[in-house]
Amino acid sequence: DTGVSQNPRHKITKRGQNVTFRCDPISEHNRLYWYRQTLGQGPEFLTYFQNEAQLEKSRLLSDRFSAERPKGSFSTLEIQRTEQGDSAMYLCASSLRWGTGSDEQYFGPGTRLTVT
Amino acid sequence: SQQGEEDPQALSIQEGENATMNCSYKTSINNLQWYRQNSGRGLVHLILIRSNEREKHSGRLRVTLDTSKKSSSLLITASRAADTASYFCALRGAGSYQLTFGKGTKLSVIP
Repeated sequence: DTGVSQNPRHKITKRGQNVTFRCDPISEHNRLYWYRQTLGQGPEFLTYFQNEAQLEKSRLLSDRFSAERPKGSFSTLEIQRTEQGDSAMYLCASSLRWGTGSDEQYFGPGTRLTVT
Repeated sequence: SQQGEEDPQALSIQEGENATMNCSYKTSINNLQWYRQNSGRGLVHLILIRSNEREKHSGRLRVTLDTSKKSSSLLITASRAADTASYFCALRGAGSYQLTFGKGTKLSVIP
């Protein structure tokens, strides 16, 4: 399967702990996005990378959240000092930079975070 | 950032019927996309329509865009039970690559 993969699929953590999620995009895609989705809502944009450069960040992204894409391939999203309000599904997506279909985003299965 | 608003919030139809869902928004867009989400497959891109286009087709899907009314509609013809899912419109604004999603329309197709 050459789709977007995310690990872990589920994470349960205690409030105050740090968590890190990983996203592996489709190999030829150089754009990578992180979104967060809560029950009954659509995904909310968090941040966007083009290659290794983080080009957009949502105002929703507090300083407890940090994302990296060190070599322009996989990406990690870290949440420090987790709070119960961080409980959500964290989605990663990727897309091509150029050409037909470059605006179509391909989503991974998500990492479901539960903060207790 | 702007958010699309889908209507209706929920829709229940019989298999074989057509399903229409709408999306309204407030500011200018570069393009508008429709995605489907079900528990088994996650979010899947269905169709994209650019701001200078008025209608697009893909298989059983037909999307229209009226930029003067700032609205779009998604028509699914000859629905199947497998079409049961939540459908989201997602907006891409000018100068940005992020997508802004609405809350979705939950479609139930009864066999």
